[in-house]
Amino acid sequence: GENVEQHPSTLSVQEGDSAVIKCTYSDSASNYFPWYKQELGKRPQLIIDIRSNVGEKKDQRIAVTLNKTAKHFSLHITETQPEDSAVYFCAAGPGGSQGNLIFGKGTKLSVKP
Amino acid sequence: NAGVMQNPRHLVRRRGQEARLRCSPVKGHSHVYWYRQLPEEGLKFMVYLQKENIIDESGMPKERFSAEFPKEGPSILRIQQVVRGDSAAYFCASSPRDFTQGEQYFGPGTRLTVT
Repeated sequence: GENVEQHPSTLSVQEGDSAVIKCTYSDSASNYFPWYKQELGKRPQLIIDIRSNVGEKKDQRIAVTLNKTAKHFSLHITETQPEDSAVYFCAAGPGGSQGNLIFGKGTKLSVKP
Repeated sequence: NAGVMQNPRHLVRRRGQEARLRCSPVKGHSHVYWYRQLPEEGLKFMVYLQKENIIDESGMPKERFSAEFPKEGPSILRIQQVVRGDSAAYFCASSPRDFTQGEQYFGPGTRLTVT
């Protein structure tokens, strides 16, 4: 089955700096890679996703890159702000109506003012 | 998204009791997923259901746990004879019937505490 590794487990940056979180996956059949942000005590919220036919996707300060050959994908946050502080989870799945997502263990991002 | 509803938000049970967790998906969504999250950990897949069908229950313990998604009403995750190790946050997520891209939207979770 699918296995998703996420690094680092914790990340501390100064406000305005960039943050990068990396994930690797094992199942080459996976073709959907979402990123979720979870604030303390709240639900995971989808912030960006990428499909296997796309190498990069950007949404304002957030971007995700995908390297299918190497089976890794990354989340990039630029110009970080204190409100970006949260736990970020990557996930991988087959996409479509074929089943569940496998999540990484999460990265706790702290943005210091 | 905010449309997925879960209740109760907090549930306290003594060891040996039963816990029933409810999930109402976004209106029009017919795919429901249940995940468990232990403190300081990621989300672990438990079960994937469509209306009246269990599609994948590979992540759900074989004993004491069951799930259903009836034709009418919410999806139910049932834990019988709870033990302390069942204490966790249980999230459900839903997707629309015709989704092709895999998007799942999460509810606010039920935090189960077993005393």
